[in-house]
Amino acid sequence: GEDVEQSLFLSVREGDSSVINCTYTDSSSTYLYWYKQEPGAGLQLLTYIFSNMDMKQDQRLTVLLNKKDKHLSLRIADTQTGDSAIYFCADFTGGGNKLTFGTGTQLKVEL
Amino acid sequence: DSGVTQTPKHLITATGQRVTLRCSPRSGDLSVYWYQQSLDQGLQFLIQYYNGEERAKGNILERFSAQQFPDLHSELNLSSLELGDSALYFCASSPLGRTEEHSPLHFGNGTRLTVT
Repeated sequence: GEDVEQSLFLSVREGDSSVINCTYTDSSSTYLYWYKQEPGAGLQLLTYIFSNMDMKQDQRLTVLLNKKDKHLSLRIADTQTGDSAIYFCADFTGGGNKLTFGTGTQLKVEL
Repeated sequence: DSGVTQTPKHLITATGQRVTLRCSPRSGDLSVYWYQQSLDQGLQFLIQYYNGEERAKGNILERFSAQQFPDLHSELNLSSLELGDSALYFCASSPLGRTEEHSPLHFGNGTRLTVT
């Protein structure tokens, strides 16, 4: 079955770049997503990438996809304290018609 | 604001009871998805409805059921509740539901269920 893995924690200093990594196993994944969850809140869609793309940039966010290695990363430039949250990677497979989520990476931004 | 509305925000009930969680999708979205988020299981897909019909099923217990009404809102019914059912239940919606088409899922803020 599908499996999506992420490291549990990441700590960075304010102003630095953050890189959150994700690996997935399903080779039929068509879209890969990043969601952000702040304490007590829902899942906020940050960005997503189609599986035939290598990179997508959206303001401070850069998504890199290595389809051969099934590796996805999210880079946040100039990380701010407001970026502190849990970040979920998810893959969408058309056959299952659902998103499979990773365990989430808790990003802590220190002053 | 994602446009997906879930009620109630919090629910506290006792073991053995039955509850109903409600979701209103974004305007124009035909698909509704239900997810359960718990500390030990993470985010688990439960079930999807598209335009009133069940489209995909995940790790949904037999004690749980859902439906989507003609006005496209959805309800998740949880019965014979156990302590382990305590979790955050999310609803998500998207415009489409067919496997050959795709659009992002937008999530509501969830209903936090506590079973005592």
